[in-house]
Amino acid sequence: DTGVSQDPRHKITKRGQNVTFRCDPISEHNRLYWYRQTLGQGPEFLTYFQNEAQLEKSRLLSDRFSAERPKGSFSTLEIQRTEQGDSAMYLCASSPAGSSQPQHFGDGTRLSIL
Amino acid sequence: AQKITQTQPGMFVQEKEAVTLDCTYDTSDPSYGLFWYKQPSSGEMIFLIYQGSYDQQNATEGRYSLNFQKARKSANLVISASQLGDSAMYFCAMRANAGGTSYGKLTFGQGTILTVHP
Repeated sequence: DTGVSQDPRHKITKRGQNVTFRCDPISEHNRLYWYRQTLGQGPEFLTYFQNEAQLEKSRLLSDRFSAERPKGSFSTLEIQRTEQGDSAMYLCASSPAGSSQPQHFGDGTRLSIL
Repeated sequence: AQKITQTQPGMFVQEKEAVTLDCTYDTSDPSYGLFWYKQPSSGEMIFLIYQGSYDQQNATEGRYSLNFQKARKSANLVISASQLGDSAMYFCAMRANAGGTSYGKLTFGQGTILTVHP
């Protein structure tokens, strides 16, 4: 069990640029989740996948955000035309199926918009 | 919609003492789960303990126990014998179980910063 892996750990970019983050879940987990966390707040749900199917998207996920999990393994989260308000920690989590199964989180990608 | 409320922005405890972190919740889902996570200053979210809404007994995991009072909609975390390494942010979260309207995602509270003094 190597844990949930996220890349990069930090991303600094200029406003208006596109960024893409990657998440590799724990290998036997078929569910994958994306959250956003701003300083001093709890994580906010963005979207989640079961295998390759995207089952739910938050209203927080504007048209500039897109997430994929093409083969039911790793996932990418892309933000187009970044804005100052996108600065946050982006957390990925994975879990097996089952209502009592906890979600295991990666270390996150910290995005800073200049 | 689900809502988690953590009313204690910060808590202090002496090393080796017990501490209770409060969590109240609101949901219309008939079946749900409650989770506690620890987030040290390094940033990773660490799962601590889980309580199902239909579980008859309060959950325990080592020094962590969950004081679940369903009628009051509270799920307080009790940490016994506090250690310096327990200093961190603690989040309460909930998720609807199968058949619920918010199945899958976790809804988090605002968190409580715990500081353990030597």
